[in-house]
Amino acid sequence: DVVMTQTPVSLSVSLGGQVSISCRSSQSLVHNNGNTYLSWYLQKPGQSPQLLIYKVSNRFSGISDRFSGSGSGTDFTLKISRVEPDDLGVYYCGQGTQYPLTFGSGTKLEIK
Amino acid sequence: QVQLKESGPGLVQPSQTLSLTCTVSGFSLTSNSVHWVRQPPGKGLEWVGAIWSGGSTDYNSALKSRLSISRDTSKSQVFLKMNSLQTEDTAIYFCTRYVGSYGFAYWGQGTLVTVSS
Repeated sequence: DVVMTQTPVSLSVSLGGQVSISCRSSQSLVHNNGNTYLSWYLQKPGQSPQLLIYKVSNRFSGISDRFSGSGSGTDFTLKISRVEPDDLGVYYCGQGTQYPLTFGSGTKLEIK
Repeated sequence: QVQLKESGPGLVQPSQTLSLTCTVSGFSLTSNSVHWVRQPPGKGLEWVGAIWSGGSTDYNSALKSRLSISRDTSKSQVFLKMNSLQTEDTAIYFCTRYVGSYGFAYWGQGTLVTVSS
């Protein structure tokens, strides 16, 4: 199975600030078809997860451009700029390249 | 619009069988896959299994021997059955519409299943 390792476990940021979350996979996430199926999700308190980013760097419908994804191979990053109160929650990376599908253990974002 | 809603018993006794239903709307099961993801209280996400548009299934190998996913396309429903439940199976169970290029694009509200006597 592909192991997804997220860091940090938690972080605190001031409103208007910027944060980065790292996600590393135990194997390359480049699929045979050349695509890299790495997604980012946000789970707000008491809610279901929601898709933010797909295929490393593409924002899902309705997602603010304050969220950006980057990376390749086994090393990926989610950046959140101009942090707002509604951004708090737990962020997960997930891979769709190889079955079983797996997720990182999550990064909890708190607002200072 | 796309909606998914899980339903089932909130409490299951140890060693018994869990049966959950996911009722979907806004898309067709014959052209989309539906996956189950679970989340133990206060913990992370675990992929449980999937039923594909053609009706074939894939399961998490750790659960495969206890798990069955099926569907009724006429009712737009997907079913999860897991037997021999243990306390470690206590979790929120989500059904999701998985879109190949995107990932888990749409999620149900989740249903909490507690395994306890």
